[in-house]
Amino acid sequence: DAKTTQPTSMDCAEGRAANLPCNHSTISGNEYVYWYRQIHSQGPQYIIHGLKNNETNEMASLIITEDRKSSTLILPHATLRDTAVYYCIVSPMDSNYQLIWGAGTKLIIKP
Amino acid sequence: DAGITQSPRYKITETGRQVTLMCHQTWSHSYMFWYRQDLGHGLRLIYYSAAADITDKGEVPDGYVVSRSKTENFPLTLESATRSQTSVYFCASSTGPLSDYGYTFGSGTRLTVV
Repeated sequence: DAKTTQPTSMDCAEGRAANLPCNHSTISGNEYVYWYRQIHSQGPQYIIHGLKNNETNEMASLIITEDRKSSTLILPHATLRDTAVYYCIVSPMDSNYQLIWGAGTKLIIKP
Repeated sequence: DAGITQSPRYKITETGRQVTLMCHQTWSHSYMFWYRQDLGHGLRLIYYSAAADITDKGEVPDGYVVSRSKTENFPLTLESATRSQTSVYFCASSTGPLSDYGYTFGSGTRLTVV
């Protein structure tokens, strides 16, 4: 079973920041938090990952709480093309081929 | 073009037939993976490969066979297709267990077994 809990769906207005929460209260010290997204009918796309520090790349920011029990993915200026299912996954650094995928959050960006 | 390519994009086959799904990547990534995605389930790992001639089972390997004679290719064979293997199959590759770029996925093969 997935080790994460995410809302089933969320809406966000185009141009606004989209904040996607993820709970991972049983995360272990050596487990990373990964975020992927899947746009309809396409393969999943890697977004970002982190261990305990906040991370930022050209796609998104990842904020991990100090106790590491939850995280938030931030899309700073959402566009219609960001409509997708977003998956939060936790996995040990040395065995991430065993990613366990949950149902994810369906994010709908509205004009 | 560089990337990861799956073929065919769509396939319909009959129960009991053998079918092979192809996956080709041009980056020389060491790791390759096969996942299936069904409604009501997240992606589930079928098989993975850490390098040419090295393969291992994932979460749901029964009914599937893989090989990896060359780094760039990782075909998945359904030896005797069953209706329960109707699914969308995704191939992925990665530079290693920890990659700053995560896994790169192909576009998928939608397989229907009738």
